[in-house]
Amino acid sequence: DAGITQSPRYKITETGRQVTLMCHQTWSHSYMFWYRQDLGHGLRLIYYSAAADITDKGEVPDGYVVSRSKTENFPLTLESATRSQTSVYFCASRLAVTYNEQFFGPGTRLTVL
Amino acid sequence: GDSVTQMEGPVTLSEEAFLTINCTYTATGYPSLFWYVQYPGEGLQLLLKATKADDKGSNKGFEATYRKETTSFHLEKGSVQVSDSAVYFCALSDGDSGAGSYQLTFGKGTKLSVIP
Repeated sequence: DAGITQSPRYKITETGRQVTLMCHQTWSHSYMFWYRQDLGHGLRLIYYSAAADITDKGEVPDGYVVSRSKTENFPLTLESATRSQTSVYFCASRLAVTYNEQFFGPGTRLTVL
Repeated sequence: GDSVTQMEGPVTLSEEAFLTINCTYTATGYPSLFWYVQYPGEGLQLLLKATKADDKGSNKGFEATYRKETTSFHLEKGSVQVSDSAVYFCALSDGDSGAGSYQLTFGKGTKLSVIP
């Protein structure tokens, strides 16, 4: 199906474990983004990517790593999960700089015990 | 830096009531403005947008007008339905801020509940 998908939709892990959240889009959008959503904070940008092999930090990058070897995939890795990383994570994509609407995936709810 | 302030929720309305959710912003450049909606258990969907002053975005009975003089983009709907129950986010994209043009800055969200 066309669109933007995230997996898993739900994940429970323990403190200190490595976790990777997957994001896949079928539109060939250049730009991709990772946000986290927390009560009282709205959505905050973690990392973004302007194209394959080009990534940059957002507002809250600490504790996260991203890669983008292919245009359609943008995985987010928590190298050593902490409880403060319990959140809902959203991936988004956008066509180009002049098209500033972003399209969001359904989200991954991550719980770190 | 850029920021978006929207009214705190939750907001509870009866069906067919008038809705206003206030949103104001600060930006270094000339931003585009958006309202996104998040239904329970889902991701965000674009509801409407406006890219320049005095533009009115509209969709599904919702409207918002880009007011540069008051730096506002208030969301309105004349008659809400139970199906409008969701969280609404105001956001801006500041095209003149270099790297910031790649991202959206969101308000904290306003939860709307519409009761029959």
